[in-house]
Amino acid sequence: QVQLQQWGAGLLKPSETLSLNCAVYGGSFSAYYWSWIRQPPGKGLEWIGDINHGGSTNYNPSLKSRVTISLDTSKNQFSLRLTSVTAADTAVYYCATGRNNWSDVHDFWGRGTPVTVSS
Amino acid sequence: SSELTQDPAVSVALGQTVRITCQGDSLRTYYANWYQQKAGQAPVLVIYGKNSRPSGIPDRFSGSSSGNAASLTITGAQAEDEADYYCNSRDSSGYHLEVFGTGTKVTFL
Repeated sequence: QVQLQQWGAGLLKPSETLSLNCAVYGGSFSAYYWSWIRQPPGKGLEWIGDINHGGSTNYNPSLKSRVTISLDTSKNQFSLRLTSVTAADTAVYYCATGRNNWSDVHDFWGRGTPVTVSS
Repeated sequence: SSELTQDPAVSVALGQTVRITCQGDSLRTYYANWYQQKAGQAPVLVIYGKNSRPSGIPDRFSGSSSGNAASLTITGAQAEDEADYYCNSRDSSGYHLEVFGTGTKVTFL
């Protein structure tokens, strides 16, 4: 059973960089894709991107120019960076697993980190 | 990129059957997965692939697909099934991309 514990700054000003981390407990990095998904207040889910154990990344085209997802196997964690944030990036950010052959199947989720972008 | 469209809301009587649909071009090629999200909580996977349930998900949840649409059926809906439901699938514009549906709120009459 994989457990994901996530953390990061919850309040940012416009143009700053969002940085979130997700620690992995009980899972092997080679067994999954590692995903980030967000949900603006009162709205639906949006896939941000993912990374596999080899470091290969995939990003939502609408965010690709501003997103970096990275993996630190020595610390058993993966991270999200989103540059030049605006109010439109205000959301709850979730880390989640994706199956190796079906990366869109997200079995395990973190609790979510609310992020507010406001001047 | 692809889009997956869902009805915003459906209502059901306790113990009755409710079907939630998801439509989009990507579903002609890829299966939909379904997630349940209760207020203030992270989503939970309830159906994946053709019609598979993760361990611990009751068998009243089932999935099906036809053409460019997929459906989640709750047979004998229970009070605890009141939640938002989202479909997702791979994006038809790129195998390693994915897209979520717009979400359906299930409430009881």
